[in-house]
Amino acid sequence: AQRVTQPEKLLSVFKGAPVELKCNYSYSGSPELFWYVQYSRQRLQLLLRHISRESIKGFTADLNKGETSFHLKKPFAQEEDSAMYYCALINAGGTSYGKLTFGQGTILTVHP
Amino acid sequence: EPEVTQTPSHQVTQMGQEVILRCVPISNHLYFYWYRQILGQKVEFLVSFYNNEISEKSEIFDDQFSVERPDGSNFTLKIRSTKLEDSAMYFCASSFSGSVYEQYFGPGTRLTVT
Repeated sequence: AQRVTQPEKLLSVFKGAPVELKCNYSYSGSPELFWYVQYSRQRLQLLLRHISRESIKGFTADLNKGETSFHLKKPFAQEEDSAMYYCALINAGGTSYGKLTFGQGTILTVHP
Repeated sequence: EPEVTQTPSHQVTQMGQEVILRCVPISNHLYFYWYRQILGQKVEFLVSFYNNEISEKSEIFDDQFSVERPDGSNFTLKIRSTKLEDSAMYFCASSFSGSVYEQYFGPGTRLTVT
């Protein structure tokens, strides 16, 4: 079974401070990892995905297969980063119909 | 930019009633999904739909649930006889591919069963 764990429900930082949102996963196959974000009163949207190796809005995430982690990091948090962040996993191997498995989510609050 | 739309935004129904939640996916997408989020819990996969048939479903998606693409644009989720525990936010999503491509989510329908 595939599982995604986000150990922190709430994370508060001050503007300009580094931020790291933790995500651990368990899956025996070939997972592809994503970070989705939901800003206040907006829909769930993709922030970044491992396969793209990109940095979006200053956020990066590194897949560590040894530690089965995909932590989201930003060196200098901004107030507009305040949102709910979800880590999610898809089976990227074999037959995949796109079933996303989500973590519980972490509410990030960036204080001025 | 094209968006997934869902109607209604909020539906209140009595236990035992049938409800149909509607979604209009992005027009050139081929894969369609329903997820739900009970208040305070994680977003859970319900079902994926491709080529006019269910391609995968979760344990939650029992005989009370069904999905349909009645025409070229709509994608519906029907709950035949609602229970109190069906109260949740239901999200529709669509993607161009069923693999590692981005899924685009709708704004959700809040279903309240009384």
